[in-house]
Amino acid sequence: DGGITQSPKYLFRKEGQNVTLSCEQNLNHDAMYWYRQDPGQGLRLIYYSQIVNDFQKGDIAEGYSVSREKKESFPLTVTSAQKNPTAFYLCASSTGGGHQPQHFGDGTRLSIL
Amino acid sequence: GENVEQHPSTLSVQEGDSAVIKCTYSDSASNYFPWYKQELGKGPQLIIDIRSNVGEKKDQRIAVTLNKTAKHFSLHITETQPEDSAVYFCAATKGNNDMRFGAGTRLTVKP
Repeated sequence: DGGITQSPKYLFRKEGQNVTLSCEQNLNHDAMYWYRQDPGQGLRLIYYSQIVNDFQKGDIAEGYSVSREKKESFPLTVTSAQKNPTAFYLCASSTGGGHQPQHFGDGTRLSIL
Repeated sequence: GENVEQHPSTLSVQEGDSAVIKCTYSDSASNYFPWYKQELGKGPQLIIDIRSNVGEKKDQRIAVTLNKTAKHFSLHITETQPEDSAVYFCAATKGNNDMRFGAGTRLTVKP
């Protein structure tokens, strides 16, 4: 089955620690996205990538970093500079080019120890 | 940039009744409007979408209407069932990878 796989489902971070969230898709989509979801709020864009080896900052990129070395993979690193990292993180992909739906993974819930 | 507002934030209906969720957007250049359903602990799933060249689209019990002049669009669910209970998000984009989401509506369908 084609889809988007996010791992792990739950992740805990200690103070001063960087953590990496995995996102893999086998839909052959060019574009991939990372969103942050907080209770009672919509999805806020962290980073997106339209093609391999290229990515752009979204509205809330500070404290996060990404890479896009392969078409299938778009990992997100939450760095120690992100002072309020507790949230539900969603990865999505689309064929790109606009006017196309984004397909989402089932998310990773990050909490602070 | 685009700003999407969604109402109501919570909605409770009796099974079999209809549910309507409304969204407004600010950027008149937006031309693609998807709706997503998110169940607890899951990612959002696309349920219906509409492009700006049509005013209404229907898929079985769900329909979406778009009023470009007023810059608002609505989701209509008829004959609601308990499994329709979830959080629903609207979104708007002008096709430049900048999709903006509403804050969500928590729909509860009471049996």
